[in-house]
Amino acid sequence: RKEVEQDPGPFNVPEGATVAFNCTYSNSASQSFFWYRQDCRKEPKLLMSVYSSGNEDGRFTAQLNRASQYISLLIRDSKLSDSATYLCVGGRNNNDMRFGAGTRLTVKP
Amino acid sequence: DAGITQSPRHKVTETGTPVTLRCHQTENHRYMYWYRQDPGHGLRLIHYSYGVKDTDKGEVSDGYSVSRSKTEDFLLTLESATSSQTSVYFCAISPGGRDTQYFGPGTRLTVL
Repeated sequence: RKEVEQDPGPFNVPEGATVAFNCTYSNSASQSFFWYRQDCRKEPKLLMSVYSSGNEDGRFTAQLNRASQYISLLIRDSKLSDSATYLCVGGRNNNDMRFGAGTRLTVKP
Repeated sequence: DAGITQSPRHKVTETGTPVTLRCHQTENHRYMYWYRQDPGHGLRLIHYSYGVKDTDKGEVSDGYSVSRSKTEDFLLTLESATSSQTSVYFCAISPGGRDTQYFGPGTRLTVL
């Protein structure tokens, strides 16, 4: 079993839609969680950190549920430019971070 | 964008040959990492460095070695490349061991 699991998708949604991704992690000792965005054939870029109390950045909301060991990402009012692969990451520190394989999102006109 | 470059960006080599990939940063960050990314697996840590000449193994270190003789450079060496090492290799940097990681543009390696 992978330490961090994500639904690979693809998620195909129309512009303006709200879409949510979940990610589960198996290591209960994990302390830090992130969502990265990766465009095709590019490097991952930090989208947002995930805090225990939940956090929001514009149209993006991230939440952490330690009891059930999952994190989520909600994207409201989807834009064409949101089309990318979203990577879920969790671990105790950077030398044991585990990356999910990614969830692919395509936003269509 | 973080000042990270990787070279070469693309390489095709043959099984059994040595290969060295270079990561160069201009941010003066203490931590540097090498990852590989394969379909269905996500990014996996190969080796990391927490200072000049201070390195340690990651999750998938077999067949790889690293060196860091200067703060700005972190080298990944495949002593004898195998086809299973065909992958995209990303370098990352961070100021501290729990800080956000910033990734380089990647090196696409094909071992025939």
